[in-house]
Amino acid sequence: KNQVEQSPQSLIILEGKNCTLQCNYTVSPFSNLRWYKQDTGRGPVSLTIMTFSENTKSNGRYTATLDADTKQSSLHITASQLSDSASYICVVSAWTDSWGKLQFGAGTQVVVTP
Amino acid sequence: GAGVSQSPSNKVTEKGKDVELRCDPISGHTALYWYRQSLGQGLEFLIYFQGNSAPDKSGLPSDRFSAERTGGSVSTLTIQRTQQEDSAVYLCASSLFGIRGTEAFFGQGTRLTVV
Repeated sequence: KNQVEQSPQSLIILEGKNCTLQCNYTVSPFSNLRWYKQDTGRGPVSLTIMTFSENTKSNGRYTATLDADTKQSSLHITASQLSDSASYICVVSAWTDSWGKLQFGAGTQVVVTP
Repeated sequence: GAGVSQSPSNKVTEKGKDVELRCDPISGHTALYWYRQSLGQGLEFLIYFQGNSAPDKSGLPSDRFSAERTGGSVSTLTIQRTQQEDSAVYLCASSLFGIRGTEAFFGQGTRLTVV
């Protein structure tokens, strides 16, 4: 069973609008949570990384939040641009994971339309 | 190089053939990882190399899969007797140290199609 669940699976938004992506996880004991952006045909690129003590982190128009108590994270995209069209992947690691065994969500496919 | 480089970008092979996928990590990165990304699925860990330590092969799905890393740099993932279920994007990543504490950088991936 996947320990990282993302929703929605996909969404379409108009250019200039905001949107929020969700990530729920069961990974324990929690170490950190990352959001990656993956353009079609490219490898994932890191947007944010948050540890247990961090509630929010921003990277330009991307703002990630983390509630370690409820094991939920969100990624908010402000004033979306066409270049934001991509898959957004939530990745969680546990302290007990050996190096490299991150838990990847299946991703949310975002399409920004003019 | 400036980033992680993978080759080929695309590979179409016949069922039963062997394939080799190559990964050139960022210079100086001691850790290298292989992942597989199937359509609609999250990335699946395959194997992890860290310096001169024995690799963590626990994610390899079968004995048809193997990987090596020569001279602590370039890595090759080999799939023998390919099956249709091996069709996926194979991603390589590298990091300065283990991924948990440092950032990992991904290559563009190799799209493998087994026909």
